[in-house]
Amino acid sequence: EVQLVESGGGLVQPGGSLRLSCAASGFTFSSYWMTWVRQAPGKGLEWVANMIQDGSAKYYVESVKGRFTISRDNAKNSLYLQMSRLRVEDTAVYYCARGRQLDYWGQGTLVTVSS
Amino acid sequence: DIQMTQSPSSLSASVGDRVTITCRASQSMSTYLNWYQQKPGKAPKLLIYAASSLQSGVPSRFSGSGSGTDFTLSISSLQPEDFATYYCQQTYSTPPDTFGQGTKLEIK
Repeated sequence: EVQLVESGGGLVQPGGSLRLSCAASGFTFSSYWMTWVRQAPGKGLEWVANMIQDGSAKYYVESVKGRFTISRDNAKNSLYLQMSRLRVEDTAVYYCARGRQLDYWGQGTLVTVSS
Repeated sequence: DIQMTQSPSSLSASVGDRVTITCRASQSMSTYLNWYQQKPGKAPKLLIYAASSLQSGVPSRFSGSGSGTDFTLSISSLQPEDFATYYCQQTYSTPPDTFGQGTKLEIK
């Protein structure tokens, strides 16, 4: 059974940093693109970043470029999102999802940026 | 960036109705279009990929069509569990793999 489990969310002050993790199981992690998607409270889905299987290519939405870094450890079946210089508008539930078609999703982890 | 516009933004319908949701892209994108369903407090679920391919396990009352700039998601006979928010997403041009703004399907 495919499972994606996010962790690392919490309350952080504006300008702070946070690292999200996504633990994958039930499939060959190293064979798939992986994606982060977020959803602000009461709002729609926003694609944040994705990366290719071997990590050689990474892509970001403009609003997080230079502040967020997506990475992966295929040996640990894990995906990460390092977030720095956080802003109030980054407050959202962050989901990791498999592939570019997003056929499996985690349950999400809430990031709250507030003073 | 490719912009995705869904219509309507909200829709009221009854159990048994046939409903159609439209997604329009700001530029042609072949069939690189996915549809997701999201229920409150839950992660989204993939329904349709590549514009018209039904994801495994999704009921056959869901169908997708379209290519280029205009796409539709249809539900042939609404069931109580279908009341949710639906999103389209393009994967033709990355970054970003843009989502539409969502269509909330409510019970009439």
